[in-house]
Amino acid sequence: GAGVSQSPRYKVAKRGQDVALRCDPISGHVSLFWYQQALGQGPEFLTYFQNEAQLDKSGLPSDRFFAERPEGSVSTLKIQRTQQEDSAVYLCASSGRTGGLKPQHFGDGTRLSIL
Amino acid sequence: SQQGEEDPQALSIQEGENATMNCSYKTSINNLQWYRQNSGRGLVHLILIRSNEREKHSGRLRVTLDTSKKSSSLLITASRAADTASYFCATVESNYQLIWGAGTKLIIKP
Repeated sequence: GAGVSQSPRYKVAKRGQDVALRCDPISGHVSLFWYQQALGQGPEFLTYFQNEAQLDKSGLPSDRFFAERPEGSVSTLKIQRTQQEDSAVYLCASSGRTGGLKPQHFGDGTRLSIL
Repeated sequence: SQQGEEDPQALSIQEGENATMNCSYKTSINNLQWYRQNSGRGLVHLILIRSNEREKHSGRLRVTLDTSKKSSSLLITASRAADTASYFCATVESNYQLIWGAGTKLIIKP
């Protein structure tokens, strides 16, 4: 598959548990983005990587959210001590060029439900 | 924070009719992009229009951009059932960050 792959597709966790969401971008894509999408809303920016460097994490809602991309390819979004308001779809996107001047390619997202 | 606002929020038309969606934004932009999202899926890029362009076509899609009014429109001609989806506009302000609207939910009735 040549597209962006996210896993798991669905994740149910109890409040207080830690979760890890994985994103496999398109091979060779430099830019990687994480978004949070609430039901019926557009995506909200969380963080941006250029290769392994996290250039912008201004959208992360709290210090419970942490993202990494250690080798410049696969990325993981980790949420510690989950709360009910963390329930949302988490989307990953990659782009072959730096920045937002080119289209982004999205995975199908991870739907996170916190009970 | 969301920059764009799509109008209408929901649109239901008969197959074969044209569908028009509008997007307004607040600040100066580098480009504006339109994406489609089918239920339960990720977003798919449809078309990108640069700030110095006024109109762009791609198949059955026509996008216009009016930077003086800070608005854009997406026209889908001869709609099909497969066009049923949510449509989002996104603007690029900085050199990487996309700012999204809340989307228009389009339903094509057979």
